[in-house]
Amino acid sequence: NAGVTQTPKFQVLKTGQSMTLQCAQDMNHEYMSWYRQDPGMGLRLIHYSVGAGITDQGEVPNGYNVSRSTTEDFPLRLLSAAPSQTSVYFCASSTGTAIYEQYFGPGTRLTVT
Amino acid sequence: GNSVTQMEGPVTLSEEAFLTINCTYTATGYPSLFWYVQYPGEGLQLLLKATKADDKGSNKGFEATYRKETTSFHLEKGSVQVSDSAVYFCARRNKSGGSNYKLTFGKGTLLTVNP
Repeated sequence: NAGVTQTPKFQVLKTGQSMTLQCAQDMNHEYMSWYRQDPGMGLRLIHYSVGAGITDQGEVPNGYNVSRSTTEDFPLRLLSAAPSQTSVYFCASSTGTAIYEQYFGPGTRLTVT
Repeated sequence: GNSVTQMEGPVTLSEEAFLTINCTYTATGYPSLFWYVQYPGEGLQLLLKATKADDKGSNKGFEATYRKETTSFHLEKGSVQVSDSAVYFCARRNKSGGSNYKLTFGKGTLLTVNP
């Protein structure tokens, strides 16, 4: 199993550009989520999904969209990038019965200039 | 609300020193408590967990006890190694209510162990 994979590892965007951060897992996990990690802020939940076709907002959803068309994939879209979205983004997944044991991807470091 | 507060770092220790990283949580509902570890350049990994009062989670020489009376879940290790250098996150998960699927993380504590 590859676990949770994220692409790209690094990305630089200009203000106003859009892009999609990819996340995939091969563990047949129902639950997937996106976090951002900022210095001194810990991890903050952006969006999450409890299964294909079901998504919900987390703590900091503004400026981000998600969809969950398959169990495996959970892409995160930035519609119009802003410097405040400069961060490290982590995708995570877990089974429905052990949601606390989240498996994290290696992260995407995004810089918006 | 549901929150987790952990001691601010950074924490710098010599090898074989005793480690304590404090964590307290708001006493809302009956949360499960966790410690995650993030090694340099990697994502977070679950280190240990405790799901009810007086439970002790342990893994890789680390321990933490769920103390309901003090709303605490402090992480301890008797003898740290250089390889323990990482960022440690305390987290809670609510067992009831609309936020049942969410983990709330503390801000993280950077631990550096010198040889």
